[in-house]
Amino acid sequence: GESVGLHLPTLSVQEGDNSIINCAYSNSASDYFIWYKQESGKGPQFIIDIRSNMDKRQGQRVTVLLNKTVKHLSLQIAATQPGDSAVYFCAENMGGGADGLTFGKGTHLIIQP
Amino acid sequence: DGGITQSPKYLFRKEGQNVTLSCEQNLNHDAMYWYRQDPGQGLRLIYYSQIVNDFQKGDIAEGYSVSREKKESFPLTVTSAQKNPTAFYLCASSIPAGLSGNTIYFGEGSWLTVV
Repeated sequence: GESVGLHLPTLSVQEGDNSIINCAYSNSASDYFIWYKQESGKGPQFIIDIRSNMDKRQGQRVTVLLNKTVKHLSLQIAATQPGDSAVYFCAENMGGGADGLTFGKGTHLIIQP
Repeated sequence: DGGITQSPKYLFRKEGQNVTLSCEQNLNHDAMYWYRQDPGQGLRLIYYSQIVNDFQKGDIAEGYSVSREKKESFPLTVTSAQKNPTAFYLCASSIPAGLSGNTIYFGEGSWLTVV
């Protein structure tokens, strides 16, 4: 089974509000995590990543938090905009595995006007 | 521009046909990957290649074949043995595989439909 999952398949937020998308992982050996954004009919785009020796990393309007104690990853998007509507995937790399990443199913973020 | 180019964007396959999806990258990445995505699902790994002339099966390799004759190219053939090929196919690449922390970058995908 998948070792990476998401708590909610769909998240609806008001434009301008902050969004939090959650992800649970089960493999304690995972040491690198990535969030991707996928718009309809397009390939996933890299948003932000974090290594297991960190618990927080910030980008432009996005923050990733990593809680290794409970194996939880979250993506926070500040002041959401219509262009943020997409499916968001978390992915993990299990200790340098050469076969790439393991992906969750994704959360569909819907921005309400 | 640097990136990963997949073609065609849309492809229709008749029953019993083999079809090949193209993937080219000019990022000078060593590792390349093929993923399959079904509606409302996550990505599943078909094949991956760490270096030229070498490739490995992923989780769902049955009915697919690949080649890696050049660093820049990693074509995927969907054979007639793949019983349910209709899906969105994503090619990806990364700097040397086997090292943690290597971000995987994706192409724009190819839609394959069986008619």
